[in-house]
Amino acid sequence: DTGVSQDPRHKITKRGQNVTFRCDPISEHNRLYWYRQTLGQGPEFLTYFQNEAQLEKSRLLSDRFSAERPKGSFSTLEIQRTEQGDSAMYLCASARVGELFFGEGSRLTVL
Amino acid sequence: LAKTTQPISMDSYEGQEVNITCSHNNIATNDYITWYQQFPSQGPRFIIQGYKTKVTNEVASLFIPADRKSSTLSLPRVSLSDTAVYYCLVGLRMDSSYKLIFGSGTRLLVRP
Repeated sequence: DTGVSQDPRHKITKRGQNVTFRCDPISEHNRLYWYRQTLGQGPEFLTYFQNEAQLEKSRLLSDRFSAERPKGSFSTLEIQRTEQGDSAMYLCASARVGELFFGEGSRLTVL
Repeated sequence: LAKTTQPISMDSYEGQEVNITCSHNNIATNDYITWYQQFPSQGPRFIIQGYKTKVTNEVASLFIPADRKSSTLSLPRVSLSDTAVYYCLVGLRMDSSYKLIFGSGTRLLVRP
């Protein structure tokens, strides 16, 4: 257990539905990252927060994706109008100084 | 960010030393080399980071030649629990604000 928790761990949804994932980082960590990982591939960067400010977004993060980190604590990643291609593991990581601590991820299956 | 190349997979036996080499020909002067380990259905976990020569911690060693165009992660006396995917990443030191770029990694299988 790294101290980074993600919820839910598994989500099955139908195409076109909206889903939201939550990440609770280690409390003193001001940096928070979202990654997406598909089977057999390494994690792909989605977005990065420093405190409550979203400083960087990948081109992978289409208009259907939005992430927030109100008050610089927990973060949410919402996917609107899900598509089958969104099926993946969504990983959250946090850091203060140094290494990133990853959560165990939220696995999304879009039917 | 420099691109890395590493073997897709490796096999080993319990008790052996495993060396995984990563190529990063266009590494920049201020780039660091970092290795992560990932087990199935878990997030990656930091193993080691280095800039040049040799770095050792309680789980691994990292060897970096003078030209820094490659690096080798060394796992001494592997056990079955070391079966995992290992990622080599090159980029700025981790305490700066930047995104880590993961490749496809090396799948290490440790056999009894």
